[in-house]
Amino acid sequence: GAVVSQHPSWVICKSGTSVKIECRSLDFQATTMFWYRQFPKQSLMLMATSNEGSKATYEQGVEKDKFLINHASLTLSTLTVTSAHPEDSSFYICSARDIGTVDEQFFGPGTRLTVL
Amino acid sequence: GQQLNQSPQSMFIQEGEDVSMNCTSSSIFNTWLWYKQDPGEGPVLLIALYKAGELTSNGRLTAQFGITRKDSFLNISASIPSDVGIYFCAGSTGANSKLTFGKGITLSVRP
Repeated sequence: GAVVSQHPSWVICKSGTSVKIECRSLDFQATTMFWYRQFPKQSLMLMATSNEGSKATYEQGVEKDKFLINHASLTLSTLTVTSAHPEDSSFYICSARDIGTVDEQFFGPGTRLTVL
Repeated sequence: GQQLNQSPQSMFIQEGEDVSMNCTSSSIFNTWLWYKQDPGEGPVLLIALYKAGELTSNGRLTAQFGITRKDSFLNISASIPSDVGIYFCAGSTGANSKLTFGKGITLSVRP
């Protein structure tokens, strides 16, 4: 149980294009999903908290117009990196909190974004 | 902001040895979580702790929620090569709150 998927697992795009990453909870419902960014050999950096049916809450320093988040259902959240630039290249990981648990977050396998 | 301290950054052990990792904080957390991350993958939840003093096992893994609620440790017994990875501790201050992560400890196991 508690499986979270991400699609795509990796993507290469040209500078200036937009990329959408999907995060799905496969066997549970998640009112809250989280989007993290991770640089090599570093810990996870929370970008935003995605709440089903409402606007996402962004962490300080994260541009909401650049990283668009949509959480349209209890099992799907999407992160769109708009007008991507090489500095946006990173490992993006989502997590989902099971509606039936208190604090446990279950992570997806991550998406490697490379912007040329 | 809140931070969780994990050190050392890297640990090297021999296969079959036990290893203990600590995670400390200057502030109180109500939930402690331990995750393992393999290269190129997302973190996998190993153990969740909800009560001060709680000691929980998951196979060869044992974790404890410190009585002061400011620390937690993870023990791995009889290590095997597949224990290699990065171990993160994470804390939560309450229901539906964000997780605060430590910087992680990279574990290497020599066969």
